[in-house]
Amino acid sequence: GDSVTQMEGPVTLSEEAFLTINCTYTATGYPSLFWYVQYPGEGLQLLLKATKADDKGSNKGFEATYRKETTSFHLEKGSVQVSDSAVYFCALIKAGGTSYGKLTFGQGTILTVHP
Amino acid sequence: EAQVTQNPRYLITVTGKKLTVTCSQNMNHEYMSWYRQDPGLGLRQIYYSMNVEVTDKGDVPEGYKVSRKEKRNFPLILESPSPNQTSLYFCASSLSIYNEQFFGPGTRLTVL
Repeated sequence: GDSVTQMEGPVTLSEEAFLTINCTYTATGYPSLFWYVQYPGEGLQLLLKATKADDKGSNKGFEATYRKETTSFHLEKGSVQVSDSAVYFCALIKAGGTSYGKLTFGQGTILTVHP
Repeated sequence: EAQVTQNPRYLITVTGKKLTVTCSQNMNHEYMSWYRQDPGLGLRQIYYSMNVEVTDKGDVPEGYKVSRKEKRNFPLILESPSPNQTSLYFCASSLSIYNEQFFGPGTRLTVL
């Protein structure tokens, strides 16, 4: 079945450091890819998305590019802030074929940014 | 205000006592879904619905039932809860599978 694998956490960075959180996926067909963020005590919020190969999603300084050749969707930010401390989830949704509409999340990566 | 509501927010119950967690959205969304969140396992999809009267199993459907009789509501039913269903549950909805999912505030369920 489909799966999403995120880099092991937790990730601890100093403010203004560069962030990369790796995400790779296994899926048939052409899934849509998402990054969601969960702040402490809250539900998930969409951070960015990409619906086809080579699309780049971006929001609030975060970026991720849908790489079909490497089945990856790595999250990057050039300069993190303390307020970026949260749990980040990579996810895919089947956009065709069997299990159309089924959504699969990665296990989440905890990010802590220190001043 | 556009939102997804869940009730109850917190529930402690005992093994075998049937319960329903309600989920309602006011955004006229086609797609609705239930997830459970467990430490170290991330979010796992329980059931999803592409439209009224259309439901499909996610990754962990065992022990759960859902129905989608109206577009706005998508209740999660535990016919005979067991302790391994203790978890944090989220309902979500979106306009389509390509759009952002809006999450409810979560329901923390404890089964003793």
